Amino acid sequence: AQSVTQLDSQVPVFEEAPVELRCNYSSSVSVYLFWYVQYPNQGLQLLLKYLSGSTLVKGINGFEAEFNKSQTSFHLRKPSVHISDTAEYFCAVSPPGYSTLTFGKGTMLLVSP
Amino acid sequence: GAGVSQSPSNKVTEKGKDVELRCDPISGHTALYWYRQSLGQGLEFLIYFQGNSAPDKSGLPSDRFSAERTGGSVSTLTIQRTQQEDSAVYLCASALGGGVTDTQYFGPGTRLTVL
Repeated sequence: AQSVTQLDSQVPVFEEAPVELRCNYSSSVSVYLFWYVQYPNQGLQLLLKYLSGSTLVKGINGFEAEFNKSQTSFHLRKPSVHISDTAEYFCAVSPPGYSTLTFGKGTMLLVSP
Repeated sequence: GAGVSQSPSNKVTEKGKDVELRCDPISGHTALYWYRQSLGQGLEFLIYFQGNSAPDKSGLPSDRFSAERTGGSVSTLTIQRTQQEDSAVYLCASALGGGVTDTQYFGPGTRLTVL
């Protein structure tokens, strides 16, 4: 079985500051990794995913994440956040060949002026 | 094109009543998922449909929960004899194919409140 830990339930930052949202996973097999974003009163939207290849993955809206196998991490980063990035961010994992995702509990990113 | 739609957007019910939640997936998507999002608990997988295959019901929390998908399109999640702990946002997602490499597209959810 696999699990996902998002270490921070809330991350407050000021506009234009850099941000890192942490995600660690536990799995006895290799995994695919995902970040989803949920804007207020909307459904989840895929930000980026790691399936194979380069460990640095670029996604939409200027976000990127780096897969670190030795640390079993997949942290999400953005060099300069905007007010519009205020949302809840979910990390998810799944072993290859599976059809369902295991999600973390989410991190609320709060961007203030 | 149209995304995933869910109805109702909000549902308030009394403990012990049955409720039905509806999901209209994106046309042509063969995979359909139901999740439950409780406060501070993230997303909990409930059930997964793929084409004409038997659904994966491994995430359903009790036998009060059931779901069907008619004609490979619309899905209904039914909760019988609702309990207060069933209060949550129920999310539906659809995907073009059945593997996790296919992006899941989520609906806006149905917020269920059990009084």
